[in-house]
Amino acid sequence: AQSVTQLDSQVPVFEEAPVELRCNYSSSVSVYLFWYVQYPNQGLQLLLKYLSGSTLVKGINGFEAEFNKSQTSFHLRKPSVHISDTAEYFCAVSYASGGSYIPTFGRGTSLIVHP
Amino acid sequence: GAGVSQSPSNKVTEKGKDVELRCDPISGHTALYWYRQSLGQGLEFLIYFQGNSAPDKSGLPSDRFSAERTGGSVSTLTIQRTQQEDSAVYLCASSLGGFGTEAFFGQGTRLTVV
Repeated sequence: AQSVTQLDSQVPVFEEAPVELRCNYSSSVSVYLFWYVQYPNQGLQLLLKYLSGSTLVKGINGFEAEFNKSQTSFHLRKPSVHISDTAEYFCAVSYASGGSYIPTFGRGTSLIVHP
Repeated sequence: GAGVSQSPSNKVTEKGKDVELRCDPISGHTALYWYRQSLGQGLEFLIYFQGNSAPDKSGLPSDRFSAERTGGSVSTLTIQRTQQEDSAVYLCASSLGGFGTEAFFGQGTRLTVV
């Protein structure tokens, strides 16, 4: 079985400050990792994903994440946030082989950017 | 359409009534997922369809919940004898299937049971 832990339910930050949203996963097999963003009253959309290769993954809107296998983490970062980044962010994991395709999601982190 | 479409966007129903939620996936997507999103609970997996295979129903919380997918396209999630704890946003997603493929989400149906 796989699981995802997002350690922070809410992260307040001032505009133009850096931010890190934490995600840890547990799985006994190789996995793929995803970050999705949900803006108010909208569905989720993919920010970025790690499948293989470079452990630093760049996504849309200036976000990036680093896969750390030894720490089973996939933290999301942005060097300078904007008011429009205020949203709910979800980390997700799915099997890389065997098992099923079904992604397992974390509980989400609400990023609140203050002016 | 270009994306995943869900209807209705909002549904208010009386406790004990049955409801049907509809999902139109992206054309050509073989995989379809239903999730439930409650405040502070993240996304709870409900059911998964992949092509012509038997659906994975392991996430359905009770036998009041059922879903079908007709012709490998449109899906309907049915909740019988609704309870107040069923109030949530129900999200549908579709993908090309296969490991590591992106799930595309609809905007959800907000269900309120009064």
